[in-house]
Amino acid sequence: DTEVTQTPKHLVMGMTNKKSLKCEQHMGHRAMYWYKQKAKKPPELMFVYSYEKLSINESVPSRFSPECPNSSLLNLHLHALQPEDSALYLCASSQAGGIWGSTEAFFGQGTRLTVV
Amino acid sequence: QQQVKQSPQSLIVQKGGISIINCAYENTAFDYFPWYQQFPGKGPALLIAIRPDVSEKKEGRFTISFNKSAKQFSLHIMDSQPGDSATYFCAASRRRGNRLAFGKGNQVVVIP
Repeated sequence: DTEVTQTPKHLVMGMTNKKSLKCEQHMGHRAMYWYKQKAKKPPELMFVYSYEKLSINESVPSRFSPECPNSSLLNLHLHALQPEDSALYLCASSQAGGIWGSTEAFFGQGTRLTVV
Repeated sequence: QQQVKQSPQSLIVQKGGISIINCAYENTAFDYFPWYQQFPGKGPALLIAIRPDVSEKKEGRFTISFNKSAKQFSLHIMDSQPGDSATYFCAASRRRGNRLAFGKGNQVVVIP
């Protein structure tokens, strides 16, 4: 099973709302990622969790708050977003970096977020 | 700073033809080079990947060619089909890192 499952598939939220994006994988991967992708652009890395610890934060605004409750789950909590935050939010997972190195990253289908 | 440069930006190919997308990188510490295929509204799907100890890797109709001295790698799609119409991203990373550097993407359209 090489599946990364993201919910919801679509989300419309107001600028004062609080919502969460969820991601789940059962491949035993210990690295999980959040990416943001705008139309016709490559994915942009937001956060990396390695062994359930936040290892990379690409200077993402605090209105995005990641959480990794366990090795299979990754959440992205959203609060007070702006219309320019509308994008496809992608979760990915891979073997964690380390002595054996990182390997293939598998992406979920994404959550299409619209901020109104 | 674009760590991986991808060309061309878009490509139109006749069915049965060969699609070729090129990428170049600067960081010699990169040692893992995957290609992702993305359909509209979907997440990127890993297509094929190569490490610099080989010069070519083939999986079905997809082939990666790798030129370490030129710091270039390319994707060849043989016998292109309309179902191959998608955006293709090359990427690169370091063995001990968790950060993928993506190219800007290439939209391939295969016309019947």
